[in-house]
Amino acid sequence: ETGVTQSPTHLIKTRGQQVTLRCSSQSGHNTVSWYQQALGQGPQFIFQYYREEENGRGNFPPRFSGLQFPNYSSELNVNALELDDSALYLCASSLEVQASTDTQYFGPGTRLTVL
Amino acid sequence: GEDVEQSLFLSVREGDSSVINCTYTDSSSTYLYWYKQEPGAGLQLLTYIFSNMDMKQDQRLTVLLNKKDKHLSLRIADTQTGDSAIYFCAETYTGGFKTIFGAGTRLFVKA
Repeated sequence: ETGVTQSPTHLIKTRGQQVTLRCSSQSGHNTVSWYQQALGQGPQFIFQYYREEENGRGNFPPRFSGLQFPNYSSELNVNALELDDSALYLCASSLEVQASTDTQYFGPGTRLTVL
Repeated sequence: GEDVEQSLFLSVREGDSSVINCTYTDSSSTYLYWYKQEPGAGLQLLTYIFSNMDMKQDQRLTVLLNKKDKHLSLRIADTQTGDSAIYFCAETYTGGFKTIFGAGTRLFVKA
């Protein structure tokens, strides 16, 4: 158990719809990172939030957006869903900005299927 | 460029040693990691190594780093059926905010 939870566990949407995925970090963890893991692939970095501000972003379009709240919860929002957005979405929390041995604690993920 | 490559599958017998290999391309990588993912679960950090180290041992796990060849390996001694999982090699940089993962190596342990 990492102390990081995600909801929902599974989700099915259709193309063009919008989705919000939620993550609850460990208490006291100021940093949350989101990753997309397509089937058979490693996780791909989407973005990171530190103290409610976006701290860095991977190669994902602007329709992927996020929010981080003071209560250590966060959201990943995806607009105009495409079939290729079908993946496992992982959040990871860490104490400060993850740059070294500041361990990232991963949640179990949300499996998103876009039909 | 940022790229981490791993072989996709490895099959070993219970009790044998497993060696999972990884190559990375960015010489500025400072920290290299091994993560484990079991079905239906998130990623679990197994171990990490600083780029100025050659080797790190942690119980049954041994990490070897060849910085010249940009090659990282994870050796699991006395492999057990509970070690069956996907193992990801990953890298990050000093002051970096993102971790780059390989595609993962699926380890099968035969009883």
